[in-house]
Amino acid sequence: DVKVTQSSRYLVKRTGEKVFLECVQDMDHENMFWYRQDPGLGLRLIYFSYDVKMKEKGDIPEGYSVSREKKERFSLILESASTNQTSMYLCASSSVRGRSYEQYFGPGTRLTVT
Amino acid sequence: KQEVTQIPAALSVPEGENLVLNCSFTDSAIYNLQWFRQDPGKGLTSLLLIQSSQREQTSGRLNASLDKSSGRSTLYIAASQPGDSATYLCAAPSSGGYQKVTFGTGTKLQVIP
Repeated sequence: DVKVTQSSRYLVKRTGEKVFLECVQDMDHENMFWYRQDPGLGLRLIYFSYDVKMKEKGDIPEGYSVSREKKERFSLILESASTNQTSMYLCASSSVRGRSYEQYFGPGTRLTVT
Repeated sequence: KQEVTQIPAALSVPEGENLVLNCSFTDSAIYNLQWFRQDPGKGLTSLLLIQSSQREQTSGRLNASLDKSSGRSTLYIAASQPGDSATYLCAAPSSGGYQKVTFGTGTKLQVIP
């Protein structure tokens, strides 16, 4: 079974803090994604990585950066957290092998910025 | 740009009923379509992935169909159970690529015992 894990289920941070969200997948997937999910807005893509050190902006990259130094790990960084970044953050991975592209999700991190 | 719509936003049915959830997409040049389940406060669980070459995909009491020409997919749940209560989301590849997807906003299903 594919497993995607996220470093924290719940996180509370103060405005202006630097925040790191970590995601690890154990299936050697090439692609990794960071989404945020907000009521009424659905899931929106923040960043996408298709290989180590390779990244692509999603629909809402402002205020975020990412890092992928190893294939299995994809980090989301909030350089200076703001209250409007309070949200549920979801990490996913997918493989290009067999041209499946099926996405597998982690359990999510509920981030509150006060 | 791909847009994905799920109607209705919420559905309440008595236990045992068969039901259909709908998903519409605007860009029919898709390679596949995926259905997910999400329980409150949790991540998404993949239910079914239909490739564009398939018309249907089945897993237990779930059956998903795909009609690219009409831009529609349906998820059929047979003999619904209270444990099926969750939000169901569909996702279609974003325009111009296979690797990124666009999600619908989901249908929240409540199965009443």
